Amino acid sequence: EDQVTQSPEALRLQEGESSSLNCSYTVSGLRGLFWYRQDPGKGPEFLFTLYSAGEEKEKERLKATLTKKESFLHITAPKPEDSATYLCAVPRETSGSRLTFGEGTQLTVNP
Amino acid sequence: EPEVTQTPSHQVTQMGQEVILRCVPISNHLYFYWYRQILGQKVEFLVSFYNNEISEKSEIFDDQFSVERPDGSNFTLKIRSTKLEDSAMYFCASNRDSNSPLHFGNGTRLTVT
Repeated sequence: EDQVTQSPEALRLQEGESSSLNCSYTVSGLRGLFWYRQDPGKGPEFLFTLYSAGEEKEKERLKATLTKKESFLHITAPKPEDSATYLCAVPRETSGSRLTFGEGTQLTVNP
Repeated sequence: EPEVTQTPSHQVTQMGQEVILRCVPISNHLYFYWYRQILGQKVEFLVSFYNNEISEKSEIFDDQFSVERPDGSNFTLKIRSTKLEDSAMYFCASNRDSNSPLHFGNGTRLTVT
């Protein structure tokens, strides 16, 4: 069964304090890994797709990287508005459209 | 930027009642989905829909659930006889093709009392 595990569950940072979130997966034959941001009471908002080991994507203070077993979301000099839950998801091996989500990392950035 | 819209934002219903959750996917998208998120738990897949039929459904999507695209813009999820455990956020999503990122709406919070 496809598994997606995110760590840590929660992370508190001071504004400007860089860190990384982890997403490990067990699906074989990876056909993409998606990162989403979810604000309280809202739907997941798409951030990045990564397809192959070594690939990197960047958007403002966020950079996502991918290896054969895990992905990292690096947050450089975060601001309070980066506070959210960050979710990763992978398509099931037998179904490109059905995503398996991790439990998310709840990030709080204090001013 | 086009977005997925869902109504209502919050629905309260009594156990055993039928509810219909409504969604307007992004207009040029062809694949439609329902996911749900029980409070404090993972986002879970319910069903995918393409070309006017269900393409895949999860174990959660039993006979109490149905989906429909009644016209060219709306996509609905019906729960025939709600249970307490159906209380959750229900998210509609769509994408242009089955491999592109899903775009989610802001959800309907369903509370079954």
